[in-house]
Amino acid sequence: EVQLVEFGGGLVQPGGSLRLSCAASGFTFSSYNMNWVRQAPGKGLEWVSHIDKSSSTKYYADSVKGRFTISRDNAKNSLYLQMNSLRDEDTAVYYCMRGYLWGQGTMVTVSS
Amino acid sequence: DVVMTQSPLSLPVTLGQPASISCRSSQSLVHSDGNTYLNWFQQRPGQSPRRLIYKVSNRDSGVPDRFSGSGSGTDFTLKISRVEAEDVGVYFCMQGTHWPRTFGPGTKVDIK
Repeated sequence: EVQLVEFGGGLVQPGGSLRLSCAASGFTFSSYNMNWVRQAPGKGLEWVSHIDKSSSTKYYADSVKGRFTISRDNAKNSLYLQMNSLRDEDTAVYYCMRGYLWGQGTMVTVSS
Repeated sequence: DVVMTQSPLSLPVTLGQPASISCRSSQSLVHSDGNTYLNWFQQRPGQSPRRLIYKVSNRDSGVPDRFSGSGSGTDFTLKISRVEAEDVGVYFCMQGTHWPRTFGPGTKVDIK
């Protein structure tokens, strides 16, 4: 089955760090560019970051630039998002996404 | 950044009747490769988003043919020919031409 499964979310204090992972299965992960998209509670969708197939090109939303780092391990069929200096406004469900394919999301709550 | 606007933001519909959602971008979405990367996503209550339409008018696999997309340049439309109960949810447009990627605010579709 073609799917993406995110994990690694949780409760973290402001200023803290968290690393999200996304496990891909059912398709050739190394052939696809990947994205992280987030959704704050009750809000719309916000694109966060993009990485190309070979990790040579990465893009970030201004709201996370300098704090978040996207990476991937094609040998492990995995996508990552390292989130540092977390703020209250980073509280959201984080989805990994490949075009039509979305994961179920993982909740990140930043609160003291 | 490219600003995506949608109208209406709320759309009560009658079962079996048509529905239409407009999406406008602050800049042309025609890419230098000649394609127009405008996507439509559906998010049913409590679920992850699902892509319905890519490159303006191409339906994803498994998407009912009552959904159609049209438009060009900066002006796009998603139409549902006959609304069914399972179509309730929020619909987002997203541009994939410019960095950063940006989403519209969403249109909430519910049944009258």
